[in-house]
Amino acid sequence: GESVGLHLPTLSVQEGDNSIINCAYSNSASDYFIWYKQESGKGPQFIIDIRSNMDKRQGQRVTVLLNKTVKHLSLQIAATQPGDSAVYFCAGPAGGTSYGKLTFGQGTILTVHP
Amino acid sequence: DGGITQSPKYLFRKEGQNVTLSCEQNLNHDAMYWYRQDPGQGLRLIYYSQIVNDFQKGDIAEGYSVSREKKESFPLTVTSAQKNPTAFYLCASSGTGGRYGYTFGSGTRLTVV
Repeated sequence: GESVGLHLPTLSVQEGDNSIINCAYSNSASDYFIWYKQESGKGPQFIIDIRSNMDKRQGQRVTVLLNKTVKHLSLQIAATQPGDSAVYFCAGPAGGTSYGKLTFGQGTILTVHP
Repeated sequence: DGGITQSPKYLFRKEGQNVTLSCEQNLNHDAMYWYRQDPGQGLRLIYYSQIVNDFQKGDIAEGYSVSREKKESFPLTVTSAQKNPTAFYLCASSGTGGRYGYTFGSGTRLTVV
């Protein structure tokens, strides 16, 4: 199966800075990963995903990088805003390549200071 | 608008009671999931269902039960056998295979009183 974990449980940045949230995974056969954002008291929201045949994928102000050699992925948020304050989770397929079930990391709490 | 609805938002349970959390989706998704979230913790899978009338245990199914009689609905019952039920419960759904991520509900916060 897959397990995903976070290097840091908390990250504090100043408004306007770039944020980088890291995630490690264990199963080299995992073929996709997803980043979610969870605001306090709400359900997680999909941010961006990446397939294993890609090294990088960009969205609006977010970029996900995948390093399959060291089994690491990161979420970069450009020009971080107070509204970005939330818990960020990486997720991967629970069975490696099986679709359906996801397994989630513990999450990183991002705090953006004005 | 399509989405996934959980109710109630807050629920209080007395010791020894069973309570049922509702989850309804109108996304025409085949798969539905229940997760438990404790403070400072990630999401732990309780039960999931990939098709009507079929469901499988997740990592922490003890003390919980589910049913999937309709594609749109996947209620979770927290039974008296669950000794530490206070948590935030999240329901999610996904399309065929769930390959491209879940849609989550807004959650139910269950507290034992």
